[in-house]
Amino acid sequence: GENVEQHPSTLSVQEGDSAVIKCTYSDSASNYFPWYKQELGKRPQLIIDIRSNVGEKKDQRIAVTLNKTAKHFSLHITETQPEDSAVYFCAASGGKLTFGQGTILTVHP
Amino acid sequence: KAGVTQTPRYLIKTRGQQVTLSCSPISGHRSVSWYQQTPGQGLQFLFEYFSETQRNKGNFPGRFSGRQFSNSRSEMNVSTLELGDSALYLCASSPGRRTTEAFFGQGTRLTVV
Repeated sequence: GENVEQHPSTLSVQEGDSAVIKCTYSDSASNYFPWYKQELGKRPQLIIDIRSNVGEKKDQRIAVTLNKTAKHFSLHITETQPEDSAVYFCAASGGKLTFGQGTILTVHP
Repeated sequence: KAGVTQTPRYLIKTRGQQVTLSCSPISGHRSVSWYQQTPGQGLQFLFEYFSETQRNKGNFPGRFSGRQFSNSRSEMNVSTLELGDSALYLCASSPGRRTTEAFFGQGTRLTVV
């Protein structure tokens, strides 16, 4: 089955810096790659996603890149703000979502 | 449009008991997936239902089961509860057959004592 590895497990940045979270997946049949943000005590919220026919997608300060050949995809957050602090999960799907282990992002004011 | 609704929000059960959790998907969504979230294991896939049929199943023991009704509402059941079943159980609804653009409910926090 699909296996998704996510790195780093924790990430600490200063406000205004950029943050990058990377994921690799194993199943070449996966064709949908969403990213979720989960704040403490809340549900995971879909923040951005990318499909295998696209290499990059951007939404304001958030961007995701996908390299299907290397089977990895990344989340980029620019100009980080304290409210970006949360746990971020990547996932890969060729039919069912398989999640990475999560990255705890802390943005220091 | 109402979001995904899970009930109850919190549950305390004793070892050996069984529990049923409920999930109402977003109106019009026909796919419901269930996940177990624990601090050490992240989000683990339990099963997915579409049109009342289980389409995928994760690596959980047979004590974990589920079903989906004709109105797309879903329930999951855990029998013979163990301490290790304590977790946040999340369901997610998606519009179609394959799980894309999944939207999560608030979850049910199950504590087994």
